[in-house]
Amino acid sequence: GQSLEQPSEVTAVEGAIVQINCTYQTSGFYGLSWYQQHDGGAPTFLSYNALDGLEETGRFSSFLSRSDSYGYLLLQELQMKDSASYFCAVRTSGTYKYIFGTGTRLKVLA
Amino acid sequence: GAGVSQSPSNKVTEKGKDVELRCDPISGHTALYWYRQSLGQGLEFLIYFQGNSAPDKSGLPSDRFSAERTGGSVSTLTIQRTQQEDSAVYLCASSLDANSGTGYFGPGTRLLVL
Repeated sequence: GQSLEQPSEVTAVEGAIVQINCTYQTSGFYGLSWYQQHDGGAPTFLSYNALDGLEETGRFSSFLSRSDSYGYLLLQELQMKDSASYFCAVRTSGTYKYIFGTGTRLKVLA
Repeated sequence: GAGVSQSPSNKVTEKGKDVELRCDPISGHTALYWYRQSLGQGLEFLIYFQGNSAPDKSGLPSDRFSAERTGGSVSTLTIQRTQQEDSAVYLCASSLDANSGTGYFGPGTRLLVL
């Protein structure tokens, strides 16, 4: 089967750095996406990694290691507004669909 | 508008009725996806459009579900003879192409089947 694993919940304090991991088991791989979703809202696109390495966009960075079937989202200088659910998603070979993980709920404490 | 729009934002219907959900993607985006999300759950893929064709319909849960896209733009998801288990948020997303990630999501349509 195909699956993505993420921690269900992560807690950190304001100003800290947090890393949300995603490991995947899929038949083939095109790329890994990350999304942020606040309660009651729609997912917001954060990043897409098709190649190994680190992509940085402001306070958020995303990393991919294809050989390890692993990626992570790194959030720096945490703010209260970063409290949300974060989903990783993978597109597998031979399909156009993106399979989503079950999401990591991030709680940022003052 | 600049983003993906969906209508209606909320829909309450009775079991057995048909519903139509609409998605207006970002202009110029050829890839369009439909997903649904049940309360507290992850996103479940339904269908993918490239232009007006749907090369991947593998996520449609039953033959009560269908979708079309016209003019390479607007898409409509139709659910016939709705059931209570169809209650969910139906999300549409568009991107430049399938190799750019699922792209940008619309606000969703919250469907409640009584």
